[in-house]
Amino acid sequence: SYELTQSPSVSVSPGQTASITCSGDKLGNNHASWYQQKPGQSPVLVIYLDDKRPSGIPERFSGSSSGNTATLTISGTQAMDEADYYCQAWDSTTVVFGGGTKLTVL
Amino acid sequence: QVQLVESGGGVVQPGRSLRLSCAASGFSFSRYAMHWVRQAPGKGLEWVAVTSYDGENKYYADSVKGRFTISRDNSKNTLDLQMNSLRAEDTAVYYCARSTQRRYDLLTAGAFDIWGQGTVVTVSS
Repeated sequence: SYELTQSPSVSVSPGQTASITCSGDKLGNNHASWYQQKPGQSPVLVIYLDDKRPSGIPERFSGSSSGNTATLTISGTQAMDEADYYCQAWDSTTVVFGGGTKLTVL
Repeated sequence: QVQLVESGGGVVQPGRSLRLSCAASGFSFSRYAMHWVRQAPGKGLEWVAVTSYDGENKYYADSVKGRFTISRDNSKNTLDLQMNSLRAEDTAVYYCARSTQRRYDLLTAGAFDIWGQGTVVTVSS
């Protein structure tokens, strides 16, 4: 079955830039979306169509995609950005989520 | 405001059935595809099923195909998930989520822009 691979954890200092990657051999032909999930809360869409930001999502969140890798970038990371982040894409008629990346803001 | 509220979760024995519901408000429910997504305790997100805006097209994850059925009632703005032959591995928080795909968009594309608060399903003897 199709898989999206994410690093389990990423650490960043406050104010620095965090990059979270998602790799999958069909990402070149499919758009990626990204979700933020804080403990005990429902996921929140932060990026869709590789690089589109929904209304209400801070500008420090950005997305990009190249080849088989999609990247979520958080510029000027804040303590409130500490959360789990999941990438998502479609594989034919099914949806695939990455395993998630825990972002720690040290 | 735009809102999705799930209900129907609980504790059920293996092999039994359970029906989840999701009540939508604050948007034109009948114009959007809708999904169910679940999250086992301490685990990541797992997609379960999708239904088109009119309920005519549905797709399922392999892990639930043949056991779960997604349905919707656009007159009542509700989305349901009928879960049969439940297994321990179905234990999870179940979320309903709105698709970014509207009536004339490709069903098998897009993201999930609105999520409910989730309802907990525990399958245990």
